[in-house]
Amino acid sequence: DGGITQSPKYLFRKEGQNVTLSCEQNLNHDAMYWYRQDPGQGLRLIYYSHIVNDFQKGDIAEGYSVSREKKESFPLTVTSAQKNPTAFYLCASSKKVDSYEQYFGPGTRLTVT
Amino acid sequence: AQKVTQAQTEISVVEKEDVTLDCVYETRDTTYYLFWYKQPPSGELVFLIRRNSFDEQNEISGRYSWNFQKSTSSFNFTITASQVVDSAVYFCALSEAGGFKTIFGAGTRLFVKA
Repeated sequence: DGGITQSPKYLFRKEGQNVTLSCEQNLNHDAMYWYRQDPGQGLRLIYYSHIVNDFQKGDIAEGYSVSREKKESFPLTVTSAQKNPTAFYLCASSKKVDSYEQYFGPGTRLTVT
Repeated sequence: AQKVTQAQTEISVVEKEDVTLDCVYETRDTTYYLFWYKQPPSGELVFLIRRNSFDEQNEISGRYSWNFQKSTSSFNFTITASQVVDSAVYFCALSEAGGFKTIFGAGTRLFVKA
């Protein structure tokens, strides 16, 4: 089955700890994205990557980091510098950037206390 | 600058009613793409439709239909004979050709009551 997997579904961390969210796709898509969704709000772009070994900051990149060493993987690290990390994180991929529809993973709900 | 406005925050209907979700967009480009996504309670967004700016034909897929009007910069989504399973948050989105990101609206939460 082709698709996007994110793990884990729920994640709990103590304040001050870095945490890495996993995102893997087997759709052979070039582009991958990370979004943050807060309750009752839309999606805000954290980072995107349109090709392996290259990624760009989105609208709210502060306190986050990513890597794109393999086409199928785009992990997101939420660092201790992120002031308010508790949120729902969605990973997506598309054939290429801009005009193509995005396919989303099931999301990771991160709670930091 | 790109912008997508979904003015309806929440809509509540009774099963079998028709419902229209509004989407108004702003862009300076002549070539752009519009999308609708559905986010059920499970959380995963599901792609519904993509429309490019040169194709103003309305589209129908089962109980779903979309009305694209460039004159009013709108891309509205209608669900006919709504069902409880249609309860979800629906997002409208815009992407410009050559751009690197998609702009999402704030979403409209649809409640369909049995």
